[in-house]
Amino acid sequence: GNSVTQMEGPVTLSEEAFLTINCTYTATGYPSLFWYVQYPGEGLQLLLKATKADDKGSNKGFEATYRKETTSFHLEKGSVQVSDSAVYFCALSPAPGGYQKVTFGIGTKLQVIP
Amino acid sequence: NAGVTQTPKFRILKIGQSMTLQCTQDMNHNYMYWYRQDPGMGLKLIYYSVGAGITDKGEVPNGYNVSRSTTEDFPLRLELAAPSQTSVYFCASSHSQGAAQETQYFGPGTRLLVL
Repeated sequence: GNSVTQMEGPVTLSEEAFLTINCTYTATGYPSLFWYVQYPGEGLQLLLKATKADDKGSNKGFEATYRKETTSFHLEKGSVQVSDSAVYFCALSPAPGGYQKVTFGIGTKLQVIP
Repeated sequence: NAGVTQTPKFRILKIGQSMTLQCTQDMNHNYMYWYRQDPGMGLKLIYYSVGAGITDKGEVPNGYNVSRSTTEDFPLRLELAAPSQTSVYFCASSHSQGAAQETQYFGPGTRLLVL
């Protein structure tokens, strides 16, 4: 079946540091890939997505590139802020063909300290 | 535009009690979902619905029931609460699932503690 692997964390960084959160996946065909973010006390919200190989999703300074050859979708940001402290979920939506559930990773908690 | 709303935000239940978690969306989405989030486990799909009158089981449906009488509402029912159901519950919706790139919109969650 489909799966998404990401580190649980927490990842602790100082403000303005570079961020990488790794995400690898297992799926057949050409799934769509997502990063969702969950701020404290809130539900998940979409951060960025990519729907085909070599696509780059970007939003709020975050970027992730869909790498088919390495089955990866790593999240990066050049300079994190305290306000980026949250839990980040990598997710996979299977290729079209009737309903198939979205698979979420376990979430990676990011703590940014001033 | 409220998006997806959930009530209550927090609830404590005794073992064997029942309750209904409410979920409403105002985006006219066809698809709705219930997830539970346990620490270190990510999100697990409990039930989903592809439209009014149609529901189906997800990965972890045991101990839960749902109904979808309208497009807007998708309540989750716990009949006999057990400690294993202590979790955070999220309702979500999407326009469709026909396109794999469809985004899901989440409510703020309901924290449930069963003692």
